[in-house]
Amino acid sequence: DVKVTQSSRYLVKRTGEKVFLECVQDMDHENMFWYRQDPGLGLRLIYFSYDVKMKEKGDIPEGYSVSREKKERFSLILESASTNQTSMYLCASSFVLYNSPLHFGNGTRLTVT
Amino acid sequence: EDQVTQSPEALRLQEGESSSLNCSYTVSGLRGLFWYRQDPGKGPEFLFTLYSAGEEKEKERLKATLTKKESFLHITAPKPEDSATYLCAVNNAGNMLTFGGGTRLMVKP
Repeated sequence: DVKVTQSSRYLVKRTGEKVFLECVQDMDHENMFWYRQDPGLGLRLIYFSYDVKMKEKGDIPEGYSVSREKKERFSLILESASTNQTSMYLCASSFVLYNSPLHFGNGTRLTVT
Repeated sequence: EDQVTQSPEALRLQEGESSSLNCSYTVSGLRGLFWYRQDPGKGPEFLFTLYSAGEEKEKERLKATLTKKESFLHITAPKPEDSATYLCAVNNAGNMLTFGGGTRLMVKP
């Protein structure tokens, strides 16, 4: 089974802090994704990566950046956290980039105060 | 703009009481429709992919069907362990994936 591991289940940060969310997958998938999940808004794509050092913006990239230095690891960076970035963040990976099932981690619930 | 609407938002069933969850969509060229199950505090878990109208997939007590406008997730004789939020997502011709808001299913013993 694919395992996608997010390093933190819960994080509490202050406004203006730089925040790193880490994600590791163990199935040698080329493709990795970062989503945020908010009540009433569903899952929204922030960024995705189809190869090491390659990244593409999703639907809501503002305020975020990503890093993919190794194939198995995909990091989401909040350069200066704001309260409207309080959310559940989900990392996912897939074997095929498009039209393919996503394998999700268990999420990081981030609270920015 | 693509839209995916799931109904109802929440559904309470007695154990053994069969029912259906609905996923209505408006997309520019459907390439695939996905169903996921999400337990509290966990990430979504993939259940099914449907690619064309008329297609059906089954897994234990779950059966997913697809028409040109909607998909149904039929739950036959549900058990308490089927309680979860069920998400659907559609992939359009431009390979944009849009998720619905989910249906929270609660099955009481």
